[in-house]
Amino acid sequence: KQEVTQIPAALSVPEGENLVLNCSFTDSAIYNLQWFRQDPGKGLTSLLLIQSSQREQTSGRLNASLDKSSGRSTLYIAASQPGDSATYLCAVGRGGTSYGKLTFGQGTILTVHP
Amino acid sequence: DVKVTQSSRYLVKRTGEKVFLECVQDMDHENMFWYRQDPGLGLRLIYFSYDVKMKEKGDIPEGYSVSREKKERFSLILESASTNQTSMYLCASSGGGTGYQPQHFGDGTRLSIL
Repeated sequence: KQEVTQIPAALSVPEGENLVLNCSFTDSAIYNLQWFRQDPGKGLTSLLLIQSSQREQTSGRLNASLDKSSGRSTLYIAASQPGDSATYLCAVGRGGTSYGKLTFGQGTILTVHP
Repeated sequence: DVKVTQSSRYLVKRTGEKVFLECVQDMDHENMFWYRQDPGLGLRLIYFSYDVKMKEKGDIPEGYSVSREKKERFSLILESASTNQTSMYLCASSGGGTGYQPQHFGDGTRLSIL
């Protein structure tokens, strides 16, 4: 059974700092990996999707990498801003004819203070 | 932009009631999903549907059923609500049948069963 772990559980940084969020998974036979952001009391917003054949994806100040063989992904946020404060979730897409079903980590709560 | 709309943000029901949670997406997506999110347990998949009238159980289907009569609408049904079904419920949709597309989420329904 796939298990997804995110470290750290919470992170507090000053504005302007570059930071890395970590995600690890136990079964390397994944289809893809998706990073989401969740604001308090809201749904999830998709940030980046990395297919299993890719090594990284970039969007603005965000860069996500994927190392399937070691079962790890990282989300790098450059020049953090208070508006980046949210919970960040990684989710692994299951293989086979799974129609994109995802297994989620518990999330990292990020606080960026001015 | 993809829009996934959940009919209620907050809902309070009584034990034993039959409860309907509605979700509508406007992007002609084939796949739709229902999750629940609980502190310490993260997001867990209840049911998903990959086409009209087609459904499959997720990881925690007990006590729930679903209906997908039209492509854009996916309903979650609590047959006889119980207090342990108090939770945040999130609906998502994605295009394609093979999981290449990112999932897009609604804002969630916070359901309380008294």
